[in-house]
Amino acid sequence: DGGITQSPKYLFRKEGQNVTLSCEQNLNHDAMYWYRQDPGQGLRLIYYSQIVNDFQKGDIAEGYSVSREKKESFPLTVTSAQKNPTAFYLCASSMQGHTNQPQHFGDGTRLSIL
Amino acid sequence: KQEVTQIPAALSVPEGENLVLNCSFTDSAIYNLQWFRQDPGKGLTSLLLIQSSQREQTSGRLNASLDKSSGRSTLYIAASQPGDSATYLCAVRDADKLIFGTGTRLQVFP
Repeated sequence: DGGITQSPKYLFRKEGQNVTLSCEQNLNHDAMYWYRQDPGQGLRLIYYSQIVNDFQKGDIAEGYSVSREKKESFPLTVTSAQKNPTAFYLCASSMQGHTNQPQHFGDGTRLSIL
Repeated sequence: KQEVTQIPAALSVPEGENLVLNCSFTDSAIYNLQWFRQDPGKGLTSLLLIQSSQREQTSGRLNASLDKSSGRSTLYIAASQPGDSATYLCAVRDADKLIFGTGTRLQVFP
């Protein structure tokens, strides 16, 4: 089945550590997105990529980094510079240039501090 | 800057009721508006997408309307069921990204 796979489902980070969240899609979508969700809040955009080897900062990019070396993959690294990383992270994808197509979401990764 | 607001923040209704969830946005220059459902600890499931040129979309017991000029959308759920219990999020699309509201947490009790 086509979809978006995020791993791991749960992740724990130690002080000063970088951690990487995986996002893979087999929908042949050009655009991919990373969101952060805090309790009782909507989703906030961290980074997005509309094409391979290109990405743009979203509203809360500080303390995060991404890469887009393959169309199918858009990993997110939470660096030690992100002082409040505990949140639910969601990856999404959509057809680029097709505003009549919805965004599809993975099942998320919950990141906590040890 | 686009802001999206959802009212109410939480809603609890008995099974069988028809209900309306509200979404408002400050900038009418949108490409589309999307309604999502989120179950606890899960990702988002797309329910309905309304293009900026459309007035409404329907899927089963769900009907979403869009009034772009007034910056409002409603999600109507007919004959609610306990399985409809979830958080409902609306999001508007600008040129290349979605801007989300904070959601309405719905509980339908038997």
